[in-house]
Amino acid sequence: ETGVTQTPRHLVMGMTNKKSLKCEQHLGHNAMYWYKQSAKKPLELMFVYNFKEQTENNSVPSRFSPECPNSSHLFLHLHTLQPEDSALYLCASSQGLSGRAINEQFFGPGTRLTVL
Amino acid sequence: QQQVKQSPQSLIVQKGGISIINCAYENTAFDYFPWYQQFPGKGPALLIAIRPDVSEKKEGRFTISFNKSAKQFSLHIMDSQPGDSATYFCAASAPPDKLIFGTGTRLQVFP
Repeated sequence: ETGVTQTPRHLVMGMTNKKSLKCEQHLGHNAMYWYKQSAKKPLELMFVYNFKEQTENNSVPSRFSPECPNSSHLFLHLHTLQPEDSALYLCASSQGLSGRAINEQFFGPGTRLTVL
Repeated sequence: QQQVKQSPQSLIVQKGGISIINCAYENTAFDYFPWYQQFPGKGPALLIAIRPDVSEKKEGRFTISFNKSAKQFSLHIMDSQPGDSATYFCAASAPPDKLIFGTGTRLQVFP
């Protein structure tokens, strides 16, 4: 496996379900991100982890819970979601947050989430 | 202040033509401006990026033009090909590396 992988690629869940999205990066990076991509809206940054520490929570509802056990893995735990949470959830990784604004982010293919 | 405004929302170009996508920003602290390309079923991938100390950067058929005083930057795709059909996102970043994305432009290149 190379680059950034995400599983599952598609997920359909009811509002009362609990599910988790998984992201793994094989690039030796130290920073990982969760984004939400909805139609006709900018990519919305949700969470940032740098060296396994959460450095950004962009006012995300508590029904989304991230977990970063190590620099290579990132999870997004989902519970009691709403239909408006249906979107493409993208994971990305980068070398690390150094305070220098040259930080190419590498994206995974995303998980297409549908909440019924 | 944190927004990046992108236009047009969609663009149809004939093969061999020039595709132009524009972005504007307000935050003068932004100092890194990448463009990402996204094909259906894939995540965005970095295409080309520029720092504000230069007014133009060219990589193959892709050129970024940057106007610091107007706080605008644009992507030009020369000799557009059907394989260029994708969604393009501009973005801007200031330390510590948080990217702010535009809304995206869906480009369709017809043979």
